[in-house]
Amino acid sequence: RKEVEQDPGPFNVPEGATVAFNCTYSNSASQSFFWYRQDCRKEPKLLMSVYSSGNEDGRFTAQLNRASQYISLLIRDSKLSDSATYLCVVTPYGGSQGNLIFGKGTKLSVKP
Amino acid sequence: EAQVTQNPRYLITVTGKKLTVTCSQNMNHEYMSWYRQDPGLGLRQIYYSMNVEVTDKGDVPEGYKVSRKEKRNFPLILESPSPNQTSLYFCASISSSRSQYFGPGTRLLVL
Repeated sequence: RKEVEQDPGPFNVPEGATVAFNCTYSNSASQSFFWYRQDCRKEPKLLMSVYSSGNEDGRFTAQLNRASQYISLLIRDSKLSDSATYLCVVTPYGGSQGNLIFGKGTKLSVKP
Repeated sequence: EAQVTQNPRYLITVTGKKLTVTCSQNMNHEYMSWYRQDPGLGLRQIYYSMNVEVTDKGDVPEGYKVSRKEKRNFPLILESPSPNQTSLYFCASISSSRSQYFGPGTRLLVL
């Protein structure tokens, strides 16, 4: 089983739709979790950290389920500008601050 | 403005010709990292550094070297580039909360 797995998509949704991505991780002792956004040919940018209690930032909600070893990202009221690839990132057990594992990303395309 | 800079942004070279990609950050972060990104393989870590003069291998270190003589700089060195090192390279600087700030990327083509 790969360390961090994501559905590659693409997810094609209309504007205004709600879309959810899941990401599973293999190491139950993983410590930190993040969602990054990457636009085509650009650098990844931090979207949000994921906390055990779940957290929300505007239209974006992130959840962590340690028992099932997955994290999720929910985007409400999708905008055209949300079109990007969303990367799930996990800090492995025993890893240093600099050692992070990236999923391959889920591509989202929001259509008019 | 907090930023990570990389140079060059684009590079075409030939097999065996040594090259260095520079990376610099102005956030005083202790941790820095190098990644390569290839279609279908995602981002893979090459090396990372925990502080000056402290580095460690990531997932794909073969064919690469790094150095960390100063806190702000973390150059990536390809002593003898090969075509399989053609890729998009990202440098990242990592905050104490483990948020990563990426440079704009370097597109390398090795002929």
